[in-house]
Amino acid sequence: DTEVTQTPKHLVMGMTNKKSLKCEQHMGHRAMYWYKQKAKKPPELMFVYSYEKLSINESVPSRFSPECPNSSLLNLHLHALQPEDSALYLCASSHRFLAGDLYNEQFFGPGTRLTVL
Amino acid sequence: GDSVTQMEGPVTLSEEAFLTINCTYTATGYPSLFWYVQYPGEGLQLLLKATKADDKGSNKGFEATYRKETTSFHLEKGSVQVSDSAVYFCAPSPMKTSYDKVIFGPGTSLSVIP
Repeated sequence: DTEVTQTPKHLVMGMTNKKSLKCEQHMGHRAMYWYKQKAKKPPELMFVYSYEKLSINESVPSRFSPECPNSSLLNLHLHALQPEDSALYLCASSHRFLAGDLYNEQFFGPGTRLTVL
Repeated sequence: GDSVTQMEGPVTLSEEAFLTINCTYTATGYPSLFWYVQYPGEGLQLLLKATKADDKGSNKGFEATYRKETTSFHLEKGSVQVSDSAVYFCAPSPMKTSYDKVIFGPGTSLSVIP
């Protein structure tokens, strides 16, 4: 299984709602990532988990809260979002997140398209 | 700092035309180099990769060679198809002291017309 799955595919939420995005992989990867992608732009890294511990937080606002319950699952909890947070949210995984790992290609999920009203 | 320069397009080609998308980077050490492709409405997929100088990555008719002397990783395909219409991202992965972080170029949008 070389697939990263994400749910839901689409999400519309109001600024006062609380919702969660989910990501799952069964490739035995120990690094998992959240990216935000605006239209016609490259993905922007938000968070990296390595061995279920948060390794990187790219100064993301606290209204985004990541969680890695186990090595296969990654969640992104959303609360009090703003309209400018509307974007495609991509999850990815890779074998590891360590220096010198030359085969560290990332496998991406299809994304959740989020609209904040 | 580490950065990547990539022709942004959009690029429009006729079917069976030759494709080149230029990519140059600045990075510490000798990064691994990747090309990712994003088809409309989908996430990113790894297209090809190279991990050391003079390595040639290839997949689905696409090729790119790791040129250390010019810090480049240009993507080429001899004969494009309509199904190649997508956005292509050059992505070096520089080696940091404790982790490798992928840097995505701005992306090149390719449209192939019949």
